[in-house]
Amino acid sequence: DTAVSQTPKYLVTQMGNDKSIKCEQNLGHDTMYWYKQDSKKFLKIMFSYNNKELIINETVPNRFSPKSPDKAHLNLHINSLELGDSAVYFCASSHLAGGAQYFGPGTRLTVT
Amino acid sequence: AQTVTQSQPEMSVQEAETVTLSCTYDTSESDYYLFWYKQPPSRQMILVIRQEAYKQQNATENRFSVNFQKAAKSFSLKISDSQLGDAAMYFCAYTQGGSEKLVFGKGTKLTVNP
Repeated sequence: DTAVSQTPKYLVTQMGNDKSIKCEQNLGHDTMYWYKQDSKKFLKIMFSYNNKELIINETVPNRFSPKSPDKAHLNLHINSLELGDSAVYFCASSHLAGGAQYFGPGTRLTVT
Repeated sequence: AQTVTQSQPEMSVQEAETVTLSCTYDTSESDYYLFWYKQPPSRQMILVIRQEAYKQQNATENRFSVNFQKAAKSFSLKISDSQLGDAAMYFCAYTQGGSEKLVFGKGTKLTVNP
């Protein structure tokens, strides 16, 4: 199936740990994104990559580091996890600026 | 900075009835795009409808249609013949032309009553 996929879908970990979330899209899109949805359901962009190049980097702690090995993949690594990092993280992709963004199923991260 | 406001945190509708969800946005740009996304309890974000600001015609997708009022900076979503499966959070979103950044509203939780 053509889609945006993320792994894992659920991640429970302790404070101070380092974790990664992987994202892959087979839609042939050039641009990929990471969004964070907080406990009040508010969605905010974190990063955007276009063809492996970082183009958007919102005010995100530098404990968060995205990596795009190729234009179909965008991973998110988080160092020294904190309680406040608990949220749902969505990966998305789009073909063109202004085009519809297609979202992955989300990764619910719980930091205890 | 562009902002998107959804003034109705919650709405409810009877099955088979029509409901309208409100969205206003603030921008000084003339080239932009507007979206409605649906997030059911499964948490998947599903694109409902997309509107290009330069198009005067309102976008429609089956039972979903928008009322795009550019001068008023208003972009409401109308759901006709509401179904139980329409129950979800609905997010209005904006992106400036040439930008990849989607700015979301805070969402409206829609309940559909049988």
